[in-house]
Amino acid sequence: QVQLVQSGSGLKKPGASVKVSCKTSGYTFTTYGMNWVRQAPGQGLEWMGWINTNTGNPAYAQGFTGRFVFSFDTSVSTAYLQINNLRAEDTAVYYCAPSDSYYFEYWGHGTLVTVSS
Amino acid sequence: QSALTQPASVSGSPGQSITISCTGTSSDVGHYNYVSWYQQHPGKAPKLMIYEVSNRPSGVSYRFSGSKSGNTASLTISGLQAEDEADYYCSSYTTSISWVFGGGTKLTVL
Repeated sequence: QVQLVQSGSGLKKPGASVKVSCKTSGYTFTTYGMNWVRQAPGQGLEWMGWINTNTGNPAYAQGFTGRFVFSFDTSVSTAYLQINNLRAEDTAVYYCAPSDSYYFEYWGHGTLVTVSS
Repeated sequence: QSALTQPASVSGSPGQSITISCTGTSSDVGHYNYVSWYQQHPGKAPKLMIYEVSNRPSGVSYRFSGSKSGNTASLTISGLQAEDEADYYCSSYTTSISWVFGGGTKLTVL
């Protein structure tokens, strides 16, 4: 069965960077593209974009360009979300969600990133 | 891409039926039959409940059903149970080759 294990929660200072990992198992990593979804405290879900795990091409949603970087390492079946120059408004839970269709059947457990001085 | 519009909250008594609406545009909900619904309990990851407007994944109760008319999709939960109390989100694929979520609806089982 598909399993997604995300890195642990963390506290970061404004201006720092964070790299969230999403280790996958139970399927061939390149079968599904990897999506990232943000959920700010008490707020709804926001689709951040996705990365094609065959070509490596990322696509970022509006509002998630510039400071956000999707990547992956096929050798360890792991996808990454890096956020640079962190701001207080980046405080949120970040989910990975692999998909090869038009919905998200599988979700990671989420990684809480807190940005505070 | 603006978020899909959902009511902030709905409520119902055990055994009753409720419907949550999800209104988009002709560029998302109205364009494709790629509307999905997710249930999220506090502190948990979302769970897929309906995909492609009206299909239920294996393991999801028959009490959950979906439909669509024009730019508005709906999720109906029949025979409400206490464990249905959660936040519900709709999502749609869009003509911008992206996904958009609704703002979420908090379901309270009275």
